[in-house]
Amino acid sequence: DGGITQSPKYLFRKEGQNVTLSCEQNLNHDAMYWYRQDPGQGLRLIYYSQIVNDFQKGDIAEGYSVSREKKESFPLTVTSAQKNPTAFYLCASSMAGRSYGYTFGSGTRLTVV
Amino acid sequence: AQTVTQSQPEMSVQEAETVTLSCTYDTSESDYYLFWYKQPPSRQMILVIRQEAYKQQNATENRFSVNFQKAAKSFSLKISDSQLGDAAMYFCAYKGNQGGKLIFGQGTELSVKP
Repeated sequence: DGGITQSPKYLFRKEGQNVTLSCEQNLNHDAMYWYRQDPGQGLRLIYYSQIVNDFQKGDIAEGYSVSREKKESFPLTVTSAQKNPTAFYLCASSMAGRSYGYTFGSGTRLTVV
Repeated sequence: AQTVTQSQPEMSVQEAETVTLSCTYDTSESDYYLFWYKQPPSRQMILVIRQEAYKQQNATENRFSVNFQKAAKSFSLKISDSQLGDAAMYFCAYKGNQGGKLIFGQGTELSVKP
């Protein structure tokens, strides 16, 4: 079955550490997205990529980095520069074009310890 | 920049009753799409319904329908015959001409009382 897989489901980070969240899709979607979800703030866009080897900053990119070396994969690194990384992170993918909604992964809950 | 506003942080409905969730948006674009997503306690985001701005007919999907008022920039979701499984966070989202980005509202948490 086609889908989008995020791992791990839960992740704990110590102060000063970088951590990487995985996102893989086998839907042959061109575009991929990373959102952060905090209570009462909806989903805020971190980074997005419409084609391989290209990506753009979203609204809250500071303290995060991404890569898009393969169409299927769009990992997100939360760096030590992100001062408040505790949140729920959602990855999504989509076909190109306005009419398409997103397919979402099941999310990663990141907690700073 | 486009914005999406959901003014009801929480709503409650009795099982089998009808409930309407509100959403307004701001844009200068004329061609765009609007979506409602459901996020149950599992936190898996599920697409509920989609509306194209150029279509005057309101979209429907089984018990879910929308009231799309383009001039008022309003996009409400009506859930008929509410079921316990409808309890979830509901997000309204806008997609225009900005690189395929979905812009989300803050969400409305719907509870269903038996």
